[in-house]
Amino acid sequence: EVVLTQSPDLQSVTLRDRVTITCRASESIGTNLHWYQQKPGQSPKLVIRFASQSFSGVPSRITGSGSGTEFTLTINSLEAEDAATYYCHQSDTLPFTFGQGTKLEIK
Amino acid sequence: QVHLVQSGAEVKKPGSSVRVSCEASGDTFSSIYIHWVRQAPGQGLEWIGGRIPVLDTTHYAHNFQGRVTITADKSTSTSYLDLDSLRSDDTAIYFCANLFPDYEPRGWFDSWGRGTLVTVSS
Repeated sequence: EVVLTQSPDLQSVTLRDRVTITCRASESIGTNLHWYQQKPGQSPKLVIRFASQSFSGVPSRITGSGSGTEFTLTINSLEAEDAATYYCHQSDTLPFTFGQGTKLEIK
Repeated sequence: QVHLVQSGAEVKKPGSSVRVSCEASGDTFSSIYIHWVRQAPGQGLEWIGGRIPVLDTTHYAHNFQGRVTITADKSTSTSYLDLDSLRSDDTAIYFCANLFPDYEPRGWFDSWGRGTLVTVSS
């Protein structure tokens, strides 16, 4: 199965920072990589689909890039509401898999 | 987007089985592809399985093969997750999610249920 490894596991950030989260796949998955945001006590919510496509209702400061085995989620000018855990998910190959998650904490 | 309503919390003994349901509304059920994802306390997301668009077959994660069954009742637009031989490490929140779009086998999860807590304890 495709293993997704996110880095870092935890990032302590300051408001208005530019934040970058990386997701590396154990084999090439094209652009079949999606990103979700999960806040405590809530269900995950899609923020980026197919590596770089934005999703309705998601702030434009959240963007994605990458293809093949390396992907990046970027949050420009971080706001308090962006504090959450972010997960990547690949749908290229069955079984589907998720990264282990990256938690963003506001300093 | 599809709206998903899950059944309530369950407490089960080790070795028993649990059934969690997920009722969908907002689209034709035949166009809805429900998957199940779980999250153990303080842990990440783990895909369990679901029906794949275009292929129209149900697939399961290796870790659950032989212990899980995902079915659907079209008359009630409800998906069911059955998990057998429960262990303490099956304690988790179980989410249902809709794989979108219905013409793409490599889509994303666009709608999620609120989750069902399953506690396995003697």
